[in-house]
Parts: sequence; C-alpha cells; structure tokens
Amino acid sequence: AQTVTQSQPEMSVQEAETVTLSCTYDTSESDYYLFWYKQPPSRQMILVIRQEAYKQQNATENRFSVNFQKAAKSFSLKISDSQLGDAAMYFCAYEYSGAGSYQLTFGKGTKLSVIP
Amino acid sequence: NAGVTQTPKFQVLKTGQSMTLQCAQDMNHEYMSWYRQDPGMGLRLIHYSVGAGITDQGEVPNGYNVSRSTTEDFPLRLLSAAPSQTSVYFCASIGAGYTDTQYFGPGTRLTVL
Repeated sequence: AQTVTQSQPEMSVQEAETVTLSCTYDTSESDYYLFWYKQPPSRQMILVIRQEAYKQQNATENRFSVNFQKAAKSFSLKISDSQLGDAAMYFCAYEYSGAGSYQLTFGKGTKLSVIP
Repeated sequence: NAGVTQTPKFQVLKTGQSMTLQCAQDMNHEYMSWYRQDPGMGLRLIHYSVGAGITDQGEVPNGYNVSRSTTEDFPLRLLSAAPSQTSVYFCASIGAGYTDTQYFGPGTRLTVL
C-alpha cells in the first residue's frame, strides 16, 4: 500500500520569506501523480500544484514550486515570497490512476503559519 | 457550473441514528469519491465510484453505504451512526483523462453524540 509522510506537523515563516514543506512517499508504481493541497480555515481543499511522475521537470505555479526527486521518493513544496494568505494546512497527496481508480493517499498535513 | 456540492454543511446526530450525506456534481464526471478527515489526519478514502451503477470500497468503508444511480449524484449513507464517525466528510470528482484533477466539495462536518 502507498504511504505519504509529512514529517513537519507545524512550520512558520516570516512574511515575504521562503519556506519549504517536506513530503516523502512510498510506492512500487512508476507512473503516478503527486499533489500539494492547501486547506485554509474554511476547510475547502484547494489544489496548489500537481506533478506527473514521468516528467523530470519540477512543476511551478507562480510562487509555488516543487522539488521532485523520484528515486528518493521525495516531493517538497517551496513557497516563495510568503503572504499572510498562505497560512493554512498543507497536504501532500499521491495518486495512482491505474485502472481508472484515481484514489488519493494523503499525508497528515503541515500547518503553516505566516508571521507578519 | 456549481462544481461539487455537498449538503448539509453541518449535522449533529445521536448514536444509532441514520442519515445520508448528499453529493452532486454538474461536470459530467465519471469518477466520484468520499473521504473523511479526522483531527491530525489527512483525508482517507471511504468509497468511490467509477461510473453510474459501479461502486467500490476504499480504505475505511465500515459503517458506510453508497450507491450511484446517476452520474451526477453520489450519496453516502450512515445506517447506524457511531461516535467514531464524527468527522469532516468530503466528496470529490474527476473527469476522464490524465490532464484533469480532482475537484472537492466544501465538506460536511458531522458530529455523533
């Protein structure tokens, strides 16, 4: 079974600074997808960034970028120029889409605080 | 396009009561799923459906029933609620194709006393 581990229950960052959230996963599959979701106090799950395992290039979305190390099964999220609105829970998730199942496996999350 | 909708937003039940959490999507997505989120945990898959008439179990299916009679709707039934089912429940859907991503509903907070 796949597992996703987020080793940092809580992190904090100064506004305008950069922070990196860690995620490792375990799988025997070669083709899969990795995601970072943001969950603000409203509890809505918001997709931040997505990475396809077959792509060597790291995904980026504006201030958000990932460091995807397939051999090490590591998928960290870097937030640049942190803003107060970035404060939230962040979940790393793995998806294997074999046989069209689209099942997501989530880590336990990292609570990010942004200090003004 | 309303996306994925869930009702109710909040619900309090007594142990042993039954209820149905509603989920609907208007994006013609084939795949729908239910997750639960407990404190200090990520979301865990309860049940999923790959199309109308087809459902299967996820990681934590005990105590829950699902059915999928239409593409749009995927209700989750609690037949006899237990305090261990106190949680936040999310419904999600995804269209076919590797370029799509899952859309989540706003969640239902359920408390079982």
